[in-house]
Amino acid sequence: GAGVSQSPSNKVTEKGKDVELRCDPISGHTALYWYRQSLGQGLEFLIYFQGNSAPDKSGLPSDRFSAERTGGSVSTLTIQRTQQEDSAVYLCASSLDMNTEAFFGQGTRLTVV
Amino acid sequence: TQLLEQSPQFLSIQEGENLTVYCNSSSVFSSLQWYRQEPGEGPVLLVTVVTGGEVKKLKRLTFQFGDARKDSSLHITAAQPGDTGLYLCAGAKSNTGKLIFGQGTTLQVKP
Repeated sequence: GAGVSQSPSNKVTEKGKDVELRCDPISGHTALYWYRQSLGQGLEFLIYFQGNSAPDKSGLPSDRFSAERTGGSVSTLTIQRTQQEDSAVYLCASSLDMNTEAFFGQGTRLTVV
Repeated sequence: TQLLEQSPQFLSIQEGENLTVYCNSSSVFSSLQWYRQEPGEGPVLLVTVVTGGEVKKLKRLTFQFGDARKDSSLHITAAQPGDTGLYLCAGAKSNTGKLIFGQGTTLQVKP
């Protein structure tokens, strides 16, 4: 596609449920990033992929968070047993490689009730 | 630990005024990027500065990277209501693949 695509755009879930967030990067981009943004705030790094590997998982807040990337393309971020503090906008970005401009998707707004 | 301190966090000005947003750190970055984000959208890259002391101009926006590559500023001349948005600076460290973002500056330009 022309840009980074994220789905769903909005997700409301009950506390304790698992959620999966999807990111389709720009075709040919080898690097993919996940960030989390609270209302009106800066972005908190979660994880990044180079190809299918994740050299840096240091930003994942807890072991309830995991991410995978298959075929060097689509990535999913999974949050297990969601908590209210997980509510945020989850942003995905991709770049040609890890030292070039990153393009962001529109994000998934997650609300845990 | 917030590696990039951005100030001010909020700024409300009248159309036609000038403003400067600052991004400061004790860390050295290989490059620094400025993004603008509108509600419901992802951040959009405005500029990347790479060389210490570098100045880049984008119409009414002037970006500067500090000599030591630890800080940066964004200056907007004659602000317009269309400049309203969240401005984010982000520092990159060589070969880490990770951008460290500041907290953001919410700019409101009133007509």
